[in-house]
Amino acid sequence: GDSVTQMEGPVTLSEEAFLTINCTYTATGYPSLFWYVQYPGEGLQLLLKATKADDKGSNKGFEATYRKETTSFHLEKGSVQVSDSAVYFCALSVGGTASKLTFGTGTRLQVTL
Amino acid sequence: GAVVSQHPSRVICKSGTSVKIECRSLDFQATTMFWYRQFPKQSLMLMATSNEGSKATYEQGVEKDKFLINHASLTLSTLTVTSAHPEDSSFYICSARDVGQGSQPQHFGDGTRLSIL
Repeated sequence: GDSVTQMEGPVTLSEEAFLTINCTYTATGYPSLFWYVQYPGEGLQLLLKATKADDKGSNKGFEATYRKETTSFHLEKGSVQVSDSAVYFCALSVGGTASKLTFGTGTRLQVTL
Repeated sequence: GAVVSQHPSRVICKSGTSVKIECRSLDFQATTMFWYRQFPKQSLMLMATSNEGSKATYEQGVEKDKFLINHASLTLSTLTVTSAHPEDSSFYICSARDVGQGSQPQHFGDGTRLSIL
């Protein structure tokens, strides 16, 4: 079946450090890929998405490139801020971006001053 | 942008109580809504897909008689946890598809934290 594997957290970084959160996937067909962010006590917010190979999703300084050859969708940010502290979920859907989502286990990011 | 409202945000009740959680799409119509459950420090587990005007589709291992889903209109789906017990305590999150934006991803509510004493 479809699955998403994320690097385990927590990830602790100093402000302005470079961030990478690894995500790889297994899917039948051609999935759409997403990164969602969850702030404490809240629901999920879509951070970025990519719908086909080599697409790059970007938002708020975060980027991720859909790599079909390595089945990966790693999240990166050049300079993190304290306000980026949250849990980040990688997810996929097969059959269009609005189909049901399969999530990774989430990676908690803690950014300190 | 699109907003999904979930109510209540937090519920604390006694064992044996039935609890209803509402999920509303505020500025779009949603033929499909999804209900997820999240355990502490874990990922979201899809419980069921709620379809307007028809029966919900439950994921394997989810008791449909325990978790009743009703999707009576294009803007409202409800999840009722019947005869809740402490093991049902969890964070429940809904999401919705905008029927007018078929290629757009789901929009999520802010979740409901359910605590059964």
